[in-house]
Order: sequence, then structure tokens, then C-alpha cells
Amino acid sequence: NAGVMQNPRHLVRRRGQEARLRCSPMKGHSHVYWYRQLPEEGLKFMVYLQKENIIDESGMPKERFSAEFPKEGPSILRIQQVVRGDSAAYFCASSPRQGTETQYFGPGTRLLVL
Amino acid sequence: AQRVTQPEKLLSVFKGAPVELKCNYSYSGSPELFWYVQYSRQRLQLLLRHISRESIKGFTADLNKGETSFHLKKPFAQEEDSAMYYCALSGNDDYKLSFGAGTTVTVRA
Repeated sequence: NAGVMQNPRHLVRRRGQEARLRCSPMKGHSHVYWYRQLPEEGLKFMVYLQKENIIDESGMPKERFSAEFPKEGPSILRIQQVVRGDSAAYFCASSPRQGTETQYFGPGTRLLVL
Repeated sequence: AQRVTQPEKLLSVFKGAPVELKCNYSYSGSPELFWYVQYSRQRLQLLLRHISRESIKGFTADLNKGETSFHLKKPFAQEEDSAMYYCALSGNDDYKLSFGAGTTVTVRA
């Protein structure tokens, strides 16, 4: 089992562009969580998805950010019209069931907005 | 609201010396507390959780509800313990983790 995969590992965007971050959960995992880590801070919960459903998006900014986890393919975190403040590390975790003790983390995507 | 505070950003100890990483939290209910570790070039991984009350790699952590703390301790640090350590909390939403800012531990020979 290759573990949770995230790509790209590093992403550079100019202000106003779109950023698409992908997360492939571990085999057999149907629950995906996205976290954001701003510089000098801890990871902050953004959104929790199950296949084709958003369960909790309370940590995600209301504008410009969206997430999906389609029936087929990876989960996508999409940031439209990026701004410098979006520069951060974005981590994805997956689990076979809802909960915290079984969340396995990916290596993260480092987004830099110029 | 739930909040996790790790007051030490950096911690440097000699091999064989005791190490303690501080973690304080605020949460109105009964939280579940965790310690995660990230070794160089590796992924974030769970080290231990207070419910299991077990020792992992020589580390232990005791939940002190009176002081709202969950400090991580190891009596004799090893060089391979050098890593970034994060304290985390989950509340009633048992899928949502809140992390502290992390403590970088360096164990010197």
C-alpha cells in the first residue's frame, strides 16, 4: 500500500491563477480530510469528504475554495484566483471510517503564490 | 472553540538526557489528545494518543485535566528522536483534529 498520495508536491502560482491540489487516499479508504498549515502555525482542518459527499466544510474559506471527492479518481482541493495569503502547506489525510485515530496523512503540497 | 498551544518552538537536548515537550489545550468538553511526529523527509504520523495510555518509542504522555495539559516525556532522548512534534486535539466532532504549532526537537550526541 503506497499510502496517501498527494500531487503536486510543490506548486507555484501567480496571483489570480487557479491551484488544483490532488489527493489519492489509501486503498480501501473512503474518507478524506484536508488540512492547511500556514507558516509558523499548526495544521488547521478545512474539509471532510466521503465519496461524492461533503460532510463538513466548516474550516474552508467561503470564497474561492472548493473541494470534491468524486466516485472515481482523487479528491481535489481547488483554489480560484489565488492570493499571497494562500501560500501554505496543504495536507490530505484518509481513513477507512470516520474518526481521528485512523487518519493517515499524505506528504503535503507546498503552494507558493507569487 | 478548541485550541492547542505548544509554547516551545525549538528544543535541544543531549543524547541520554530527559526531554519534555509541553502542550496545553482549551476545550469545553472532553477532548481526545494526540501526539504526532514528523521525522525529516517523512510524513506526519501518529505517535500516541491519551486513550491508549501506552508508551511508544519510550515516550509517554499524561492527560492532566486540571491543568489542561498533555505533555510528552521521554527519560532518555536518542538521536533518532530528532523530529518535529505536534500536539493535537479532537472534540465532539471526532474526525476534526486541531494541531499546535509544533516543537522541533534536536538531540545532540
